[in-house]
Amino acid sequence: EPEVTQTPSHQVTQMGQEVILRCVPISNHLYFYWYRQILGQKVEFLVSFYNNEISEKSEIFDDQFSVERPDGSNFTLKIRSTKLEDSAMYFCASSEADGRYGYTFGSGTRLTVV
Amino acid sequence: QKEVEQDPGPLSVPEGAIVSLNCTYSNSAFQYFMWYRQYSRKGPELLMYTYSSGNKEDGRFTAQVDKSSKYISLFIRDSQPSDSATYLCAMSAGGTYKYIFGTGTRLKVLA
Repeated sequence: EPEVTQTPSHQVTQMGQEVILRCVPISNHLYFYWYRQILGQKVEFLVSFYNNEISEKSEIFDDQFSVERPDGSNFTLKIRSTKLEDSAMYFCASSEADGRYGYTFGSGTRLTVV
Repeated sequence: QKEVEQDPGPLSVPEGAIVSLNCTYSNSAFQYFMWYRQYSRKGPELLMYTYSSGNKEDGRFTAQVDKSSKYISLFIRDSQPSDSATYLCAMSAGGTYKYIFGTGTRLKVLA
């Protein structure tokens, strides 16, 4: 069964450092998303991406965040200057249609900012 | 009032029991409703999706949406220990790419 692949599975970074989280969505999917889940809290929407541009973003997704699809297979989330409160599980997801039938999520990257 | 509310549990049931998981919501614009299962330290896995009101069945799982009451349910028949996980509801208004998730209900099915 097709999968969304995320790397690394766990990343530890120092506060103020830049991190890039990587995702390989399902190959025939056109819509891509990043969500995050702070430990013990709910899954929260960050951003959606379609046709090589951001289609929607939440208030969490401020100027410190950016997304990119640098080639035909990868989808990345960059955090420019990490804060302690950025520590969370970050989930990439993709969908064939605009999400009305749900997404396929990856297993996540656990980001720990120290 | 929170936009989506879900009892966090844990809910413990014996193997073979019928499980009922529920979410309430406040936004009457929600049209698309999902149920995801999440195992510890894994990503959410889509179980069921429904549009608007009504029932949908898939194997041991039945999803119900009652828009008039702003209430959705997931029923699991003949529950198995492998069903032990956190169950997340998620919903969207349509015309938007984002889903609003509940906090999840932790289910334990005891062998």
